Amino acid sequence: AQTVTQSQPEMSVQEAETVTLSCTYDTSESDYYLFWYKQPPSRQMILVIRQEAYKQQNATENRFSVNFQKAAKSFSLKISDSQLGDAAMYFCAYRSAGANSKLTFGKGITLSVRP
Amino acid sequence: GAGVSQTPSNKVTEKGKYVELRCDPISGHTALYWYRQSLGQGPEFLIYFQGTGAADDSGLPNDRFFAVRPEGSVSTLKIQRTERGDSAMYLCASSPGQYNEQFFGPGTRLTVL
Repeated sequence: AQTVTQSQPEMSVQEAETVTLSCTYDTSESDYYLFWYKQPPSRQMILVIRQEAYKQQNATENRFSVNFQKAAKSFSLKISDSQLGDAAMYFCAYRSAGANSKLTFGKGITLSVRP
Repeated sequence: GAGVSQTPSNKVTEKGKYVELRCDPISGHTALYWYRQSLGQGPEFLIYFQGTGAADDSGLPNDRFFAVRPEGSVSTLKIQRTERGDSAMYLCASSPGQYNEQFFGPGTRLTVL
């Protein structure tokens, strides 16, 4: 079974600064997908960024980028130029590339942004 | 367009009662997922539908939990003989197909007294 670990329960960043959220996972599969989801307070979860395991290039989406280290099974999210609207819970998630399409989530990390 | 909707947004019930939670997926999405999120935790998979059939129900915790999707659109998660430990946020997600991005609804917060 796959597991996703987010060991930092909380982080704080100054507005306009950069912050990195950590995630490690465990799997015996060679092909899979990794995701970062954002869950703002009392609002629904939205996809921030996605990484295919077979791609060596790290995914980027505007101010969001990942550092994907397949051998180390590490998948961190970097948020550049942090904004107040980035304050939320962030979840790292794993999905097999096979027929089983369920998401396996980490415990999440609460990110606060200081003005 | 409209996103995934879930009703009710909040449900308070007493231990032992029966509850139904509804999910309206994005129109045309064939895949539908239910997850349960306890306080301070990440969502945990319950069940996945592809069309009308449950393709994977391995996450249902016991036989008190059941879900249906009779016409391949709306889904209902049914919980019998509720227990206090069932209190959680129940999230629904849909996607155009099993390999596509999952879009989440706002959730139903269930409280069992």
